[in-house]
Amino acid sequence: GEQVEQLPSSLIVQEGASVLINCSYTDSASVYFPWYKQEPGKRLQFIIDIRSNMERKQTQRLTLLFDKKTKHLSLHITATQPGDSAIYFCSATNSNNRIFFGDGTQLVVKP
Amino acid sequence: EAAVTQSPRNKVAVTGGKVTLSCNQTNNHNNMYWYRQDTGHGLRLIHYSYGAGSTEKGDIPDGYKASRPSQENFSLILELATPSQTSVYFCASGEASGNTLYFGEGSRLIVV
Repeated sequence: GEQVEQLPSSLIVQEGASVLINCSYTDSASVYFPWYKQEPGKRLQFIIDIRSNMERKQTQRLTLLFDKKTKHLSLHITATQPGDSAIYFCSATNSNNRIFFGDGTQLVVKP
Repeated sequence: EAAVTQSPRNKVAVTGGKVTLSCNQTNNHNNMYWYRQDTGHGLRLIHYSYGAGSTEKGDIPDGYKASRPSQENFSLILELATPSQTSVYFCASGEASGNTLYFGEGSRLIVV
């Protein structure tokens, strides 16, 4: 079945820095890739998504890049703030509507 | 915004006891899911449902049952709880294929 891998597993940066979170998947039939953010002790919340017919999507300080050929996604967060500290999850939905999550990337932004 | 509520939020159970985790969503979503979250494993799918009366096995269904008596409610049942089932459990709901999930706030279960 589908496998979703995220790297790095953790990041510590100073406020204002940019970060890059990488995600790869194995099932070429996956068509939809939402990302979620989980603040400490909280629920996962949707932050950005991309479909397999797109290459790039941007919302505020988030940019999501998608390479269908290499089955790779990258989430770029600019001008990080302490409020960005959270676990970020990549996910992939295949054509059978099965959803697979990566193990998450723990981001700590120091003031 | 989608509202998914879970109960109980915290539970301590004894080994061999029965535990029921409940989930309610008010957005008329067809699909509902139960995940567990453990350090180093991310989110793992236990059971899911496409609508009232339907339940499907996810990736780690052993030791768990699910029940979807209505569009709004989806329960996860541990008939004989074991310490290995100590975890944080998340319920989520979503519309048809290719849509985002809306998560509950989680239920922390400790089995002693």
